[in-house]
Amino acid sequence: DAKTTQPPSMDCAEGRAANLPCNHSTISGNEYVYWYRQIHSQGPQYIIHGLKNNETNEMASLIITEDRKSSTLILPHATLRDTAVYYCMAFGNEKLTFGTGTRLTIIP
Amino acid sequence: DAGVTQSPTHLIKTRGQQVTLRCSPKSGHDTVSWYQQALGQGPQFIFQYYEEEERQRGNFPDRFSGHQFPNYSSELNVNALLLGDSALYLCASSLQGTQWGGQPQHFGDGTRLSIL
Repeated sequence: DAKTTQPPSMDCAEGRAANLPCNHSTISGNEYVYWYRQIHSQGPQYIIHGLKNNETNEMASLIITEDRKSSTLILPHATLRDTAVYYCMAFGNEKLTFGTGTRLTIIP
Repeated sequence: DAGVTQSPTHLIKTRGQQVTLRCSPKSGHDTVSWYQQALGQGPQFIFQYYEEEERQRGNFPDRFSGHQFPNYSSELNVNALLLGDSALYLCASSLQGTQWGGQPQHFGDGTRLSIL
């Protein structure tokens, strides 16, 4: 499974867009990019995934570069409830390989 | 529509004991995966069950074993507990899709296991 690299922490002002970057330069052609988040004391929550095209759902947007070596998760209007650890993963072989993620703090 | 449910939520055991954790998958899901999350770390894959068989296994010793029942629910068993087994144990369920990697896993809130 491809390794991913994320900044350890980020801050974002409440109401602004939060842009979380992820590098996955060794991703293979059939591995999906997945994003999960984990709020303290809860299980990881699925956010979004994509293969090649940009994706959007009710929670977030996922922008994948054309060469697929990096991606950005966008939370369009961050709220205090979006404070969490965000994990980016290249999903291959049907097991999720979590890294250390990005701790996102939303500032009031 | 119930999501993934795990029981118990908390458990305290002593070294050398055995423990069984339980998981009911999200309705419509047929695949169950187990993860161990130590404090301050990301979850680590233990194993995955589909059609009542272990399909994949992570880097965990044989003390960790599992089972999947015909109703798709699953158990995780850990024998000869060590202090280092203290962790949050997470269960995730998914649907075995035809598109490899295209089916998201949905997690329960885990069982917090403490070893004294």
